[in-house]
Amino acid sequence: NAGVTQTPKFQVLKTGQSMTLQCAQDMNHNSMYWYRQDPGMGLRLIYYSASEGTTDKGEVPNGYNVSRLNKREFSLRLESAAPSQTSVYFCAAASAGGPYEQYFGPGTRLTVT
Amino acid sequence: DAKTTQPPSMDCAEGRAANLPCNHSTISGNEYVYWYRQIHSQGPQYIIHGLKNNETNEMASLIITEDRKSSTLILPHATLRDTAVYYCIVRVENGNQFYFGTGTSLTVIP
Repeated sequence: NAGVTQTPKFQVLKTGQSMTLQCAQDMNHNSMYWYRQDPGMGLRLIYYSASEGTTDKGEVPNGYNVSRLNKREFSLRLESAAPSQTSVYFCAAASAGGPYEQYFGPGTRLTVT
Repeated sequence: DAKTTQPPSMDCAEGRAANLPCNHSTISGNEYVYWYRQIHSQGPQYIIHGLKNNETNEMASLIITEDRKSSTLILPHATLRDTAVYYCIVRVENGNQFYFGTGTSLTVIP
């Protein structure tokens, strides 16, 4: 099992360009999350999806959109990238019950110039 | 969700116990305490969680005070591979949001 995978691993965008970050999980978990981590900071929740077909805003949703395509996949879209969105983006998946352990992907390092 | 306070950094000698404190003085009765760690720039890794009782697993022990206003993560025999940033998080049961804060950067010294 790959767990949580993210593509791409690295990306450089110019201001105003758009892109979609992809996340997939093979653990059959209901909940999925997108976080961003700025240098020297902890993770901040952008959006989450408690189950297929639902999405909700987290702490810092402005400038982003998400799609829960199916149970496995949860994508994050930047419609018009800004330098303030330069960050490392992590996707995570978790089961609905039990210990609620979140499993994280390796991250996507995004630079907006 | 309640917020947490952790020291920004700590050192620990290799082979000794590492005791990482966390203050969560505004925690509610239905909020759990979770600990995660992040090694270098990898995705965070779950360590342990608890509600009221002390907990132990193969990685660590979690000691929660009786009033639940603080907790301590104990790594019993720290190794160099335990050097990481450790996050203490509180989460409402069935809640969907984790607030990671800035964590404690633990350095294990040879």
